[in-house]
Amino acid sequence: DADVTQTPRNRITKTGKRIMLECSQTKGHDRMYWYRQDPGLGLRLIYYSFDVKDINKGEISDGYSVSRQAQAKFSLSLESAIPNQTALYFCATSDSGTGAYGYTFGSGTRLTVV
Amino acid sequence: AQSVTQLDSQVPVFEEAPVELRCNYSSSVSVYLFWYVQYPNQGLQLLLKYLSGSTLVKGINGFEAEFNKSQTSFHLRKPSVHISDTTEYFCAVSLFSGNTPLVFGKGTRLSVIA
Repeated sequence: DADVTQTPRNRITKTGKRIMLECSQTKGHDRMYWYRQDPGLGLRLIYYSFDVKDINKGEISDGYSVSRQAQAKFSLSLESAIPNQTALYFCATSDSGTGAYGYTFGSGTRLTVV
Repeated sequence: AQSVTQLDSQVPVFEEAPVELRCNYSSSVSVYLFWYVQYPNQGLQLLLKYLSGSTLVKGINGFEAEFNKSQTSFHLRKPSVHISDTTEYFCAVSLFSGNTPLVFGKGTRLSVIA
């Protein structure tokens, strides 16, 4: 099994629908992150969490929310999806010892909003 | 806040030729610097990182990068590329503490021509 698992891998949804992307990890890391990737824009940070009780907004949090259900699980929700949220979404983890230089990425969720 | 600029969105190069992918950063404090590679349908994989010490760092798959503080650059190089190096490369930065999320550049698409 992968260290960082994202589900689903692909999803097509309609405008206005609520959708949840899930991320779980077996690394034992305390820090988790959600990024979105758009062609030509690189990866941009949506939300991050340094422990279960810590949630922080990133560069582009509008239209998104997150839930850190446990150390190993970090979910990203789109309350009312819109077409410009079509993107590739990545979850990543790290631990407080290695911080930003110990990232492990999931394989991504490709979301299409029609 | 720190930021990263990848100076070329696409770099075509012939097989077995050398290549340089350019990355400049902006920060008022010391930083950690990274290069990641993204293969199709996969998450990002760390190529190499600069944390401190020698300014020339070596990574996987024959890549290396040089940290230049005066020019605020961290260019990625490979002396002889292969077809299999064709993919997307991302430069990233984090503050020296390692306790801030990674900030990514917009990516450089390396295309190796046979």
